[in-house]
Amino acid sequence: NAGVTQTPKFRVLKTGQSMTLLCAQDMNHEYMYWYRQDPGMGLRLIHYSVGEGTTAKGEVPDGYNVSRLKKQNFLLGLESAAPSQTSVYFCASTQGAGNSPLHFGNGTRLTVT
Amino acid sequence: AQKVTQAQTEISVVEKEDVTLDCVYETRDTTYYLFWYKQPPSGELVFLIRRNSFDEQNEISGRYSWNFQKSTSSFNFTITASQVVDSAVYFCALSEGLTSGTYKYIFGTGTRLKVLA
Repeated sequence: NAGVTQTPKFRVLKTGQSMTLLCAQDMNHEYMYWYRQDPGMGLRLIHYSVGEGTTAKGEVPDGYNVSRLKKQNFLLGLESAAPSQTSVYFCASTQGAGNSPLHFGNGTRLTVT
Repeated sequence: AQKVTQAQTEISVVEKEDVTLDCVYETRDTTYYLFWYKQPPSGELVFLIRRNSFDEQNEISGRYSWNFQKSTSSFNFTITASQVVDSAVYFCALSEGLTSGTYKYIFGTGTRLKVLA
């Protein structure tokens, strides 16, 4: 059982370039989340989705877009990367209802130069 | 607004010492859930425990124990007889119910635990 899979694991971008991070889960979870982790700031929510075709903004959505065309996939896009988006990105999924723990992917380390 | 505070940024202990990681939360919800996660040096996030707001019983799992006190809005985590493998960043989290009926998960800033041999 793969759980939550993130691709790629590492990426280096130049300022202004675009890219898409892919998150795939095989647990049939309704809820999916994208977080970024920065030193001293913990995990901050970028966007989330409560089901196929729905997305919502989290705490730090600016500069990012997301799509949930299929239930198992949640894509995070950076249209024009900036150095401030250098971070480790985590995708997570859960059954929902607030009492279920998040299942995390292994993260994507992104550097924007 | 809901909030999770982990005031201890970094703790260093010598192996076999006991250590407590503090977590204080703020919420207006009457029903809520608290979680602890471990992030070892390899980087993945590992779920440790969940506690709901109606269950104030302490929990023990091997060398790990958790103390939940609603009166002080705290959900502290104690490692007994620490080991080098316990070295990690530990995150406390709170699930927040939204008016839409969905939930968001709010994380503290984490406590880095270093266990020295």
